[in-house]
Amino acid sequence: SQTIHQWPATLVQPVGSPLSLECTVEGTSNPNLYWYRQAAGRGLQLLFYSVGIGQISSEVPQNLSASRPQDRQFILSSKKLLLSDSGFYLCAWSVAGGTLHFGNGTRLTVT
Amino acid sequence: QKEVEQNSGPLSVPEGAIASLNCTYSDRGSQSFFWYRQYSGKSPELIMFIYSNGDKEDGRFTAQLNKASQYVSLLIRDSQPSDSATYLCAGLASGGSYIPTFGRGTSLIVHP
Repeated sequence: SQTIHQWPATLVQPVGSPLSLECTVEGTSNPNLYWYRQAAGRGLQLLFYSVGIGQISSEVPQNLSASRPQDRQFILSSKKLLLSDSGFYLCAWSVAGGTLHFGNGTRLTVT
Repeated sequence: QKEVEQNSGPLSVPEGAIASLNCTYSDRGSQSFFWYRQYSGKSPELIMFIYSNGDKEDGRFTAQLNKASQYVSLLIRDSQPSDSATYLCAGLASGGSYIPTFGRGTSLIVHP
């Protein structure tokens, strides 16, 4: 069966520090991968999605970036965090435009 | 612009009642619809998906789709306090689309 791993679960970082969140999927090949952010009391905001290795599409221009170095690995990064980057970050996968499956999320607090 | 609209709630129902959660969508190209449940501080988990007009039942949950009215609903029978959560509706267009459009969610409170 397919599983998705996302880490860390919680993170507290100072403003201006870098960020790296990692997500891996097991049990499936060539998944579509997604990064979402959910601010407190808000809906899901799609940040990036990828349909293959090295293929990244950005939905929202900001100081975040994403990379997909391997088929089932998706990384969200920032060189310098802003206070507004605080939120709940969710990685998700799907196959062939089907159901989205979410990881457990990372709660990021920028102080 | 593709939109999925949900009443933010909260919807409050007594334990044992039927909770009815509704969702409308603007994109007529949307073919698949998903209901996710999200507990506070947790990630969304899939409850049901529906592709065809009509009803689809799974245990206490029934999803209803009316493509002509661009309307999707989720009924929860015999609501339990453990059903208290935010319910997200999402639509996905056919033809190779892989980005679902999510609503902002409806908060459901089931009180004993």
